Amino acid sequence: QSVLTQPPSVSAAPGQRITISCSGNSSNIGSNYVSWYQQVPGAAPKLLIYDNNQRPSGIPDRFSGSKSGTSATLDITGLQTADEAHYYCGTWDSSLTTGTFGGGTKVTVL
Amino acid sequence: EEQLVESGGGLVQPGRSLRLSCAASGFMFHDYAMHWVRQIPGKGLEWVSSISWNGSSVAYADSVKGRFTISRDNAKNSLYLQMNSLSAEDTAVYYCTSDTARAYTYFGLDVWGPGTTVTVSS
Repeated sequence: QSVLTQPPSVSAAPGQRITISCSGNSSNIGSNYVSWYQQVPGAAPKLLIYDNNQRPSGIPDRFSGSKSGTSATLDITGLQTADEAHYYCGTWDSSLTTGTFGGGTKVTVL
Repeated sequence: EEQLVESGGGLVQPGRSLRLSCAASGFMFHDYAMHWVRQIPGKGLEWVSSISWNGSSVAYADSVKGRFTISRDNAKNSLYLQMNSLSAEDTAVYYCTSDTARAYTYFGLDVWGPGTTVTVSS
């Protein structure tokens, strides 16, 4: 069972907007940066968001991240079929002194 | 181009050891913290271990503490994971990944290798 809680699945039609939540506690999300990753089957994960809301170069601004208290959110606007993948949140846990990931959210484009 | 390439995976018997290596190129390896992350096929990501930019600080998941050792050689642009007393539960794809910062607590896992498969079985 993951320390960070994500919904198992989210689905929407092309062009729509989706939100993926990531819930933690004061020792992880509440006191550390959150990152988000996209993983398509058979490939390594790809960093989408770091430091809560920063996009690496090459990541389109359709992807955005935010954090409030002990929860974080990944927003994807203008959903595309290429966005079908698993999405993971991640952060450091200062109490456990470990890295930690959410269980992952499968995004389906209808 | 920033690149990480893992090697050293394979089939190993329970109780034996394996050493994974990760070769970095295309970026200032010595400036960034590094991590090992593993994934059982069809399952989620599991953080394994982290090391700071200069190797002075390391951290391990409880599931591998006391059995795995992370290290780096900045002169060789290389990261390592020594895995001892392996069990079937260690079977996974192991990814080498660099952070966006010197300290691994920032946990922005930027560049990822393609992964190397470790299978522990008799």
